[in-house]
Amino acid sequence: KAGVTQTPRYLIKTRGQQVTLSCSPISGHRSVSWYQQTPGQGLQFLFEYFSETQRNKGNFPGRFSGRQFSNSRSEMNVSTLELGDSALYLCASSSDRLEPRDEQYFGPGTRLTVT
Amino acid sequence: AQKITQTQPGMFVQEKEAVTLDCTYDTSDPSYGLFWYKQPSSGEMIFLIYQGSYDQQNATEGRYSLNFQKARKSANLVISASQLGDSAMYFCAMNALTGNQFYFGTGTSLTVIP
Repeated sequence: KAGVTQTPRYLIKTRGQQVTLSCSPISGHRSVSWYQQTPGQGLQFLFEYFSETQRNKGNFPGRFSGRQFSNSRSEMNVSTLELGDSALYLCASSSDRLEPRDEQYFGPGTRLTVT
Repeated sequence: AQKITQTQPGMFVQEKEAVTLDCTYDTSDPSYGLFWYKQPSSGEMIFLIYQGSYDQQNATEGRYSLNFQKARKSANLVISASQLGDSAMYFCAMNALTGNQFYFGTGTSLTVIP
């Protein structure tokens, strides 16, 4: 089985621009979660999508949004980028996480730098 | 509220020695899963080991073992015979059904010294 893939791997953007990151989960997985990781704040949960619906959301401003397609692929969008949005964005997939054993499988991440 | 606490920001261990990374958790769910992930400098999170709240025995995976003390709500990771390649960030995480979310600790940076 192919693992979780994220594109692009690296991205440099300018303040005020917007960016879209993509995540393809493991085949058969319907849950996709997004995390932001920074040295200062650690790993922070952004949101989770399941069967094209946002099932859970972290405490991030509305500039951060996401969606999931019928094939479970997910995108996250950040509008009006700020310097503080520079981070490693990790995507994780799991089958549905309704069982405690249902682990999350992570992608390699997209490293976003905002200048 | 669900919470994972890792109190060791950084740890050092001599090569071939054992090391214990601490993790405590808080949840009111009777059924939950506890995980440890390793994150090398490349960034990818690698699953290491899982412990279910109803598991009677401590989980083991090769050189990794999980010291699960349910009454104390702790799930410490023990790495035996440390190797240089073990140098990385280590995250403890919990999958509790309440809130339907994976909860991560702040991580412990492990450095293995030759």
